[in-house]
Amino acid sequence: GEDVEQSLFLSVREGDSSVINCTYTDSSSTYLYWYKQEPGAGLQLLTYIFSNMDMKQDQRLTVLLNKKDKHLSLRIADTQTGDSAIYFCAETYNQGGKLIFGQGTELSVKP
Amino acid sequence: DTGVSQDPRHKITKRGQNVTFRCDPISEHNRLYWYRQTLGQGPEFLTYFQNEAQLEKSRLLSDRFSAERPKGSFSTLEIQRTEQGDSAMYLCASRQGQGALSPLHFGNGTRLTVT
Repeated sequence: GEDVEQSLFLSVREGDSSVINCTYTDSSSTYLYWYKQEPGAGLQLLTYIFSNMDMKQDQRLTVLLNKKDKHLSLRIADTQTGDSAIYFCAETYNQGGKLIFGQGTELSVKP
Repeated sequence: DTGVSQDPRHKITKRGQNVTFRCDPISEHNRLYWYRQTLGQGPEFLTYFQNEAQLEKSRLLSDRFSAERPKGSFSTLEIQRTEQGDSAMYLCASRQGQGALSPLHFGNGTRLTVT
């Protein structure tokens, strides 16, 4: 079945780059997403990438996809304290558009 | 505000009681999804609707859970005879169109505590 895994915690200093990693098992995944969740809030879509792409850049965010290894990463440049949150990787593969989420990576940004 | 709206934000109930949550999706979004999120975990898919039709239900959705979207707009999720294991955040999301291209928009969730 489908499975998405992430490391649970990441701590960086303000101004550094953060790299959050994700692996998935379903080779038929068509779209992969990164969502951000702040305490007590719902999930906010940050960015997504099609499975036929290997990189996407959007301002401070860079998504890298290694389809062969089923590995996805999110790089946040010049990380700010406001970036502290839980980041979820998610995949979808079917017409229903149902998303399968990882367990989330808690990013802590220290001043 | 034209985002996904969920009500209530918090619900505390005693074990064995029934609860009902409501979700108002973004206007004209034809697909509506329910997810459940427990502490330290990612959201788990429960069910989704295309317009008023419920097209898929997860194995997680026991027979105590029922969801409806009678007019293809708002949706309700009812849990009967609640158990402590039902305590979680229940998230609703909506999207427009078919396939995976249009992103899911999430509400802020309803936090259920069963005592």
